Amino acid sequence: RKEVEQDPGPFNVPEGATVAFNCTYSNSASQSFFWYRQDCRKEPKLLMSVYSSGNEDGRFTAQLNRASQYISLLIRDSKLSDSATYLCVVTSGGYQKVTFGIGTKLQVIP
Amino acid sequence: DVKVTQSSRYLVKRTGEKVFLECVQDMDHENMFWYRQDPGLGLRLIYFSYDVKMKEKGDIPEGYSVSREKKERFSLILESASTNQTSMYLCAIRYNHNQPQHFGDGTRLSIL
Repeated sequence: RKEVEQDPGPFNVPEGATVAFNCTYSNSASQSFFWYRQDCRKEPKLLMSVYSSGNEDGRFTAQLNRASQYISLLIRDSKLSDSATYLCVVTSGGYQKVTFGIGTKLQVIP
Repeated sequence: DVKVTQSSRYLVKRTGEKVFLECVQDMDHENMFWYRQDPGLGLRLIYFSYDVKMKEKGDIPEGYSVSREKKERFSLILESASTNQTSMYLCAIRYNHNQPQHFGDGTRLSIL
């Protein structure tokens, strides 16, 4: 089983739709969780950290479910500019090893 | 704003050459990382460093080495470049183990 798993998609959604991505992780001792956004041929950029209580940033909501070992990202009122690949990131272990998911591709269509 | 500078955006080298990729940060962060990213494989960690002169192997260190003589600079070295090292190389920094990483713009390296 991969340490961090994501559905690669693509998810094709109309403008204005709500879309959710999940990311599962295998190490129950994982400590820090993040969502990154990566545009085509660009570097990953931090979208948001994921906190145990859940957190929101505008149209974006991140949740952590430790019992089931997954994190989620919800995007409301999708914009064309949200089209990108969304990477989940999990850190764990003594050196806080960073593990990236393969990314989920989102395409918002007019 | 976090600034991570990679020496080249695009680089073309020949098989067998020794290749140096440089990464410089202006944030005084201790943690620095080198990744490569390939379609369908995602980001894979090559090497990382938690302090000056310190290095740790990542998941795919074979064919690579690193150097960290100063805190702000982390160099990735391809000892004898091969075509299977054609990839996008990304440098990242991190303040401490609870913080997220911040990436440079990346270097698209082609080995002919």
